[in-house]
Amino acid sequence: DAGVIQSPRHEVTEMGQEVTLRCKPISGHNSLFWYRQTMMRGLELLIYFNNNVPIDDSGMPEDRFSAKMPNASFSTLKIQPSEPRDSAVYFCASSLGTPRGTEAFFGQGTRLTVV
Amino acid sequence: AQSVTQLGSHVSVSEGALVLLRCNYSSSVPPYLFWYVQYPNQGLQLLLKYTTGATLVKGINGFEAEFKKSETSFHLTKPSAHMSDAAEYFCAVIRTGGGNKLTFGTGTQLKVEL
Repeated sequence: DAGVIQSPRHEVTEMGQEVTLRCKPISGHNSLFWYRQTMMRGLELLIYFNNNVPIDDSGMPEDRFSAKMPNASFSTLKIQPSEPRDSAVYFCASSLGTPRGTEAFFGQGTRLTVV
Repeated sequence: AQSVTQLGSHVSVSEGALVLLRCNYSSSVPPYLFWYVQYPNQGLQLLLKYTTGATLVKGINGFEAEFKKSETSFHLTKPSAHMSDAAEYFCAVIRTGGGNKLTFGTGTQLKVEL
């Protein structure tokens, strides 16, 4: 398996533009996570899906952020409109839903820069 | 809520010396515990995990960690550091009642010097 695949690896956009980050989880995994990493706040969980259904989106910073998982092999994280403070590395991770304690596998991340 | 605390945001060791990275968890019920490593411009990679059973867990690259319930700790060790171990290390926990979502510590940057 190629692992968790994220695209693009790098994104530079202007403030106010829409940004869409993409993720393909590992085949057979039914849990998917979006994390954001910054120097100031470390690794933050934004949203967590199980069987394509959002289970916990309490980490989504505000309404400008939205995430979807239309099927088991694809998820998007959208920021509209983007702001400079959204600049960060965004990671997607996937895991088996069971048993409890199963580890998550991470993609290479998308480095987002909003200017 | 369960969380993890990593003591020391930066640790520096000499090549060949013992590596000790500290992690304490807060939980009344032993959680599931993990150590991940992140190399520059890379994603996170699992080093090892503790779920149940043996409290001394061995992972990749010669790392190991011991779950100590009495100390609520899960410190990461390696007997002899190598230059290639220079990276950022994250301790993480799976909270009870939260599915399998991981909550991460703030990370420890390990520097290995000649």
